[in-house]
Amino acid sequence: GEDVEQSLFLSVREGDSSVINCTYTDSSSTYLYWYKQEPGAGLQLLTYIFSNMDMKQDQRLTVLLNKKDKHLSLRIADTQTGDSAIYFCAESKGQGGKLIFGQGTELSVKP
Amino acid sequence: ETGVTQSPTHLIKTRGQQVTLRCSSQSGHNTVSWYQQALGQGPQFIFQYYREEENGRGNFPPRFSGLQFPNYSSELNVNALELDDSALYLCASSPRDGTDTQYFGPGTRLTVL
Repeated sequence: GEDVEQSLFLSVREGDSSVINCTYTDSSSTYLYWYKQEPGAGLQLLTYIFSNMDMKQDQRLTVLLNKKDKHLSLRIADTQTGDSAIYFCAESKGQGGKLIFGQGTELSVKP
Repeated sequence: ETGVTQSPTHLIKTRGQQVTLRCSSQSGHNTVSWYQQALGQGPQFIFQYYREEENGRGNFPPRFSGLQFPNYSSELNVNALELDDSALYLCASSPRDGTDTQYFGPGTRLTVL
């Protein structure tokens, strides 16, 4: 199947770390992405990881990839109220550019 | 550098009508993809255009069609609108650099009454 699954909600306190999890089904996926969507807006690319990597760090963001378990996570360090949004993971198989998205995780950051 | 732009921002149509949505790709990008995002869901792939040809298609009926122009801008056309077509339509462009990385526009909110 072509399912990408995410938990729907996550609530954290400002200054804490947030960890958003995602599982995907296709081991042939080439790239995996994290996007952020604020209310009424389009999707903002946060970061991506190639399937032969285990980890990628970009400032406050850390992506971990466990290919054996088909599990992807996004850690946001020192979470701020401006990080409140919906976060989508997506996989690409490199076939005609199709990205398969999860349902999104709504991150709520409380002051 | 100009990002992906879409027009119009919002649109209201009635069932059975036709609609055209427009997208200008980011400078230097030659590939455009369209997605439909229903409320509370993740985006669903409609199709992709590269070199003015459809390069891949998702599970959408033929009444969803598109065009890409020589300047890489694109249109999404939907005929015989149905109530379930109400959604946010997102356009994304990519540089075709082997990463499939897609950069999204702000979307067009279509409401079908």
